[in-house]
Amino acid sequence: NAGVMQNPRHLVRRRGQEARLRCSPVKGHSHVYWYRQLPEEGLKFMVYLQKENIIDESGMPKERFSAEFPKEGPSILRIQQVVRGDSAAYFCASSPPQRPSEQYFGPGTRLTVT
Amino acid sequence: SQQGEEDPQALSIQEGENATMNCSYKTSINNLQWYRQNSGRGLVHLILIRSNEREKHSGRLRVTLDTSKKSSSLLITASRAADTASYFCATDDFGNEKLTFGTGTRLTIIP
Repeated sequence: NAGVMQNPRHLVRRRGQEARLRCSPVKGHSHVYWYRQLPEEGLKFMVYLQKENIIDESGMPKERFSAEFPKEGPSILRIQQVVRGDSAAYFCASSPPQRPSEQYFGPGTRLTVT
Repeated sequence: SQQGEEDPQALSIQEGENATMNCSYKTSINNLQWYRQNSGRGLVHLILIRSNEREKHSGRLRVTLDTSKKSSSLLITASRAADTASYFCATDDFGNEKLTFGTGTRLTIIP
Protein backbone atom coordinates (compact mmCIF):
# COMPACT_ATOMS: atom_id res chain seq x y z
CA ASN A 1 0.00 0.00 0.00
CA ALA A 2 2.15 2.82 -1.27
CA GLY A 3 1.24 6.31 -0.12
CA VAL A 4 1.68 9.48 -2.11
CA MET A 5 5.11 9.54 -3.70
CA GLN A 6 6.98 12.63 -4.70
CA ASN A 7 10.27 13.04 -6.46
CA PRO A 8 12.75 14.38 -6.26
CA ARG A 9 12.83 14.95 -2.51
CA HIS A 10 15.35 17.74 -2.88
CA LEU A 11 15.93 19.87 -5.94
CA VAL A 12 18.47 22.62 -6.44
CA ARG A 13 18.10 24.98 -9.36
CA ARG A 14 19.89 28.13 -10.41
CA ARG A 15 17.86 31.26 -11.11
CA GLY A 16 16.32 31.07 -14.57
CA GLN A 17 16.25 27.28 -14.79
CA GLU A 18 13.15 25.11 -14.87
CA ALA A 19 11.97 22.92 -12.01
CA ARG A 20 9.80 19.83 -12.53
CA LEU A 21 8.21 18.21 -9.51
CA ARG A 22 6.45 14.86 -9.76
CA CYS A 23 3.69 13.34 -7.72
CA SER A 24 2.23 9.84 -7.88
CA PRO A 25 -1.03 9.63 -5.93
CA VAL A 26 -2.24 6.77 -3.82
CA LYS A 27 -3.48 3.96 -6.07
CA GLY A 28 -7.16 4.52 -6.76
CA HIS A 29 -7.08 8.21 -5.91
CA SER A 30 -8.16 10.39 -8.78
CA HIS A 31 -7.82 13.81 -7.11
CA VAL A 32 -4.46 15.52 -6.75
CA TYR A 33 -3.64 18.75 -4.95
CA TRP A 34 -0.44 20.81 -4.80
CA TYR A 35 0.45 23.00 -1.84
CA ARG A 36 3.45 25.21 -1.12
CA GLN A 37 5.01 25.79 2.27
CA LEU A 38 7.38 28.65 2.92
CA PRO A 39 9.75 28.38 5.92
CA GLU A 40 7.96 28.70 9.27
CA GLU A 41 4.55 28.97 7.59
CA GLY A 42 1.55 26.79 6.97
CA LEU A 43 0.70 25.21 3.64
CA LYS A 44 -0.92 27.30 0.93
CA PHE A 45 -3.14 25.73 -1.71
CA MET A 46 -1.94 26.03 -5.28
CA VAL A 47 -3.94 23.80 -7.61
CA TYR A 48 -6.44 20.93 -7.66
CA LEU A 49 -6.49 18.47 -10.54
CA GLN A 50 -8.34 15.39 -11.64
CA LYS A 51 -7.17 13.20 -14.48
CA GLU A 52 -6.59 15.46 -17.51
CA ASN A 53 -8.46 18.35 -15.91
CA ILE A 54 -7.53 21.36 -13.81
CA ILE A 55 -10.42 21.88 -11.40
CA ASP A 56 -9.17 24.83 -9.34
CA GLU A 57 -5.98 26.78 -9.94
CA SER A 58 -6.88 29.79 -7.83
CA GLY A 59 -3.68 29.48 -5.78
CA MET A 60 -1.28 29.29 -8.69
CA PRO A 61 0.85 32.32 -9.56
CA LYS A 62 -0.28 33.71 -12.88
CA GLU A 63 3.08 33.33 -14.57
CA ARG A 64 5.78 30.66 -14.74
CA PHE A 65 3.78 27.99 -12.88
CA SER A 66 1.80 25.20 -14.52
CA ALA A 67 0.45 21.81 -13.48
CA GLU A 68 -0.88 18.75 -15.20
CA PHE A 69 -2.25 15.34 -14.30
CA PRO A 70 -2.22 13.25 -17.48
CA LYS A 71 -4.27 10.15 -18.12
CA GLU A 72 -1.15 8.05 -17.60
CA GLY A 73 1.71 8.88 -15.30
CA PRO A 74 2.31 11.22 -12.38
CA SER A 75 1.10 14.74 -11.83
CA ILE A 76 3.71 17.35 -12.70
CA LEU A 77 4.18 20.80 -11.20
CA ARG A 78 6.37 22.86 -13.47
CA ILE A 79 8.06 26.12 -12.56
CA GLN A 80 9.77 27.98 -15.36
CA GLN A 81 12.55 30.53 -14.92
CA VAL A 82 12.78 29.97 -11.18
CA VAL A 83 13.56 32.85 -8.83
CA ARG A 84 14.85 32.79 -5.24
CA GLY A 85 11.34 33.41 -3.93
CA ASP A 86 10.27 30.03 -5.35
CA SER A 87 12.43 28.28 -2.74
CA ALA A 88 9.98 26.34 -0.61
CA ALA A 89 8.66 22.88 0.14
CA TYR A 90 6.07 21.70 -2.36
CA PHE A 91 3.63 19.08 -1.16
CA CYS A 92 1.31 16.94 -3.17
CA ALA A 93 -1.80 15.33 -1.72
CA SER A 94 -4.31 12.89 -3.13
CA SER A 95 -7.80 11.86 -2.12
CA PRO A 96 -10.35 9.24 -3.12
CA PRO A 97 -13.14 10.53 -5.37
CA GLN A 98 -15.87 9.86 -2.83
CA ARG A 99 -14.06 11.73 -0.01
CA PRO A 100 -12.16 14.63 -1.58
CA SER A 101 -11.51 16.36 1.74
CA GLU A 102 -9.62 13.35 3.10
CA GLN A 103 -6.25 14.28 1.69
CA TYR A 104 -3.10 12.23 2.17
CA PHE A 105 0.16 14.05 1.76
CA GLY A 106 3.43 13.04 0.20
CA PRO A 107 6.83 13.74 1.79
CA GLY A 108 7.30 16.90 -0.25
CA THR A 109 9.94 18.26 -2.60
CA ARG A 110 12.24 20.88 -1.15
CA LEU A 111 13.21 23.30 -3.88
CA THR A 112 16.21 25.54 -3.37
CA VAL A 113 16.94 28.25 -5.90
CA THR A 114 20.49 29.54 -5.81
CA SER B 1 -5.73 36.82 5.87
CA GLN B 2 -5.42 33.31 7.26
CA GLN B 3 -8.54 31.16 7.36
CA GLY B 4 -7.05 29.20 10.24
CA GLU B 5 -5.05 30.59 13.08
CA GLU B 6 -3.59 28.32 15.71
CA ASP B 7 -2.62 29.37 19.15
CA PRO B 8 -0.33 29.27 20.84
CA GLN B 9 2.32 29.61 18.15
CA ALA B 10 4.72 27.61 20.31
CA LEU B 11 4.18 25.40 23.33
CA SER B 12 6.70 23.59 25.56
CA ILE B 13 5.57 21.10 28.19
CA GLN B 14 7.04 18.29 30.26
CA GLU B 15 6.65 14.74 29.08
CA GLY B 16 3.51 13.20 30.53
CA GLU B 17 1.57 16.46 30.66
CA ASN B 18 -1.38 17.25 28.42
CA ALA B 19 -1.01 19.63 25.47
CA THR B 20 -3.87 21.76 24.17
CA MET B 21 -3.78 23.66 20.90
CA ASN B 22 -6.51 25.86 19.49
CA CYS B 23 -7.54 26.78 15.98
CA SER B 24 -9.87 29.56 14.90
CA TYR B 25 -11.29 30.07 11.43
CA LYS B 26 -13.32 32.75 9.70
CA THR B 27 -15.77 31.27 7.20
CA SER B 28 -18.18 28.35 7.16
CA ILE B 29 -16.65 24.89 6.96
CA ASN B 30 -17.55 21.37 5.93
CA ASN B 31 -14.73 19.59 7.75
CA LEU B 32 -11.84 20.50 10.01
CA GLN B 33 -8.74 18.34 10.14
CA TRP B 34 -5.60 18.26 12.23
CA TYR B 35 -2.22 17.32 10.82
CA ARG B 36 1.20 16.78 12.38
CA GLN B 37 4.46 17.72 10.70
CA ASN B 38 7.81 16.64 12.03
CA SER B 39 10.70 18.96 11.21
CA GLY B 40 11.52 18.82 7.53
CA ARG B 41 8.98 16.09 6.82
CA GLY B 42 5.57 15.70 5.22
CA LEU B 43 2.21 15.96 6.92
CA VAL B 44 0.59 13.13 8.81
CA HIS B 45 -3.20 13.14 8.99
CA LEU B 46 -4.36 12.90 12.61
CA ILE B 47 -8.09 13.35 12.74
CA LEU B 48 -11.05 14.77 10.79
CA ILE B 49 -14.12 16.24 12.43
CA ARG B 50 -17.22 17.15 10.44
CA SER B 51 -19.13 20.38 10.93
CA ASN B 52 -22.06 18.52 12.53
CA GLU B 53 -19.81 16.82 15.10
CA ARG B 54 -18.77 18.35 18.39
CA GLU B 55 -16.10 15.99 19.67
CA LYS B 56 -13.98 13.14 18.38
CA HIS B 57 -11.39 10.87 19.94
CA SER B 58 -8.53 8.87 18.50
CA GLY B 59 -6.14 7.21 20.92
CA ARG B 60 -4.52 9.99 22.98
CA LEU B 61 -6.08 12.68 20.78
CA ARG B 62 -9.28 14.54 21.52
CA VAL B 63 -10.65 17.13 19.12
CA THR B 64 -13.55 19.48 19.79
CA LEU B 65 -15.35 21.73 17.35
CA ASP B 66 -17.49 24.75 18.21
CA THR B 67 -18.99 26.09 15.00
CA SER B 68 -20.72 28.96 16.83
CA LYS B 69 -17.31 30.25 17.91
CA LYS B 70 -15.58 29.05 14.73
CA SER B 71 -12.94 27.27 16.76
CA SER B 72 -11.48 23.85 17.39
CA SER B 73 -9.10 22.44 19.94
CA LEU B 74 -6.70 19.51 19.84
CA LEU B 75 -5.82 17.85 23.13
CA ILE B 76 -2.93 15.39 23.34
CA THR B 77 -2.97 13.51 26.62
CA ALA B 78 0.03 11.95 28.38
CA SER B 79 2.46 13.59 25.96
CA ARG B 80 5.60 11.79 24.77
CA ALA B 81 8.88 13.05 23.36
CA ALA B 82 7.79 11.68 19.96
CA ASP B 83 4.86 14.15 19.94
CA THR B 84 7.35 16.98 19.37
CA ALA B 85 6.26 18.45 16.03
CA SER B 86 4.26 21.23 14.43
CA TYR B 87 0.50 20.82 14.42
CA PHE B 88 -1.75 22.39 11.80
CA CYS B 89 -5.48 22.67 11.48
CA ALA B 90 -6.99 22.70 7.99
CA THR B 91 -10.53 23.49 6.90
CA ASP B 92 -12.54 22.91 3.77
CA ASP B 93 -15.89 24.29 2.70
CA PHE B 94 -18.87 22.63 1.04
CA GLY B 95 -18.17 22.01 -2.62
CA ASN B 96 -14.65 23.36 -2.26
CA GLU B 97 -12.16 20.60 -1.68
CA LYS B 98 -9.03 22.68 -1.22
CA LEU B 99 -7.71 22.78 2.32
CA THR B 100 -6.94 26.06 4.03
CA PHE B 101 -4.22 25.66 6.63
CA GLY B 102 -3.47 27.63 9.74
CA THR B 103 -0.03 28.85 10.68
CA GLY B 104 0.64 25.98 13.08
CA THR B 105 1.61 25.37 16.68
CA ARG B 106 5.16 24.18 17.38
CA LEU B 107 4.94 21.70 20.23
CA THR B 108 8.06 20.69 22.17
CA ILE B 109 7.90 17.89 24.71
CA ILE B 110 10.68 18.10 27.27
CA PRO B 111 11.84 14.63 28.42
